Amino acid sequence: QKEVEQNSGPLSVPEGAIASLNCTYSDRGSQSFFWYRQYSGKSPELIMFIYSNGDKEDGRFTAQLNKASQYVSLLIRDSQPSDSATYLCAVKNQAGTALIFGKGTTLSVSS
Amino acid sequence: GAVVSQHPSRVICKSGTSVKIECRSLDFQATTMFWYRQFPKQSLMLMATSNEGSKATYEQGVEKDKFLINHASLTLSTLTVTSAHPEDSSFYICSARDSWGAGGNEQFFGPGTRLTVL
Repeated sequence: QKEVEQNSGPLSVPEGAIASLNCTYSDRGSQSFFWYRQYSGKSPELIMFIYSNGDKEDGRFTAQLNKASQYVSLLIRDSQPSDSATYLCAVKNQAGTALIFGKGTTLSVSS
Repeated sequence: GAVVSQHPSRVICKSGTSVKIECRSLDFQATTMFWYRQFPKQSLMLMATSNEGSKATYEQGVEKDKFLINHASLTLSTLTVTSAHPEDSSFYICSARDSWGAGGNEQFFGPGTRLTVL
């Protein structure tokens, strides 16, 4: 069973700080990586996806991928209370047909 | 962005009854839809992959005779939980992949259906 691992948290950061969320995956053949945000009782919403090693920036969010280390992270700059949610890391399976999700990291941003 | 709807959003039923959940892609065609289940404090677990016009592919451990999936059109997939029991109580979420979207890699999630079996 291919796995995606995340620290469940909670990760607590003050407003304005940088939140760093980490994810490791077991399938070395994985090529596509996604970060979703899920508010309590709601379904996930896509924040970013990344395919290539290195950094990808979108507004306050930066995804970082290191395939050699099988590690993907999400940085949130200038964290806001509205960023408080569970962040799910997802990896596309080798067949490229479905996503495998981690258990998610709960982020709490205090004002 | 693409919109996926689910109906109903919440359902409470008695043990032994069957419940049908609909998943619709509203503004795009989805040849593939996915059904997930999420228990409290747990991750999304893929139950099955639904392809339009063909039989669904179920993940290991998911009973295909209990969770019936029909994907009759490019915009609609249904999940029927047959003879539901309290242990089937969960948050069921569908997602759809835009067949013609850029890169074809994004999955758009529906709002989820909260099923409670008494």
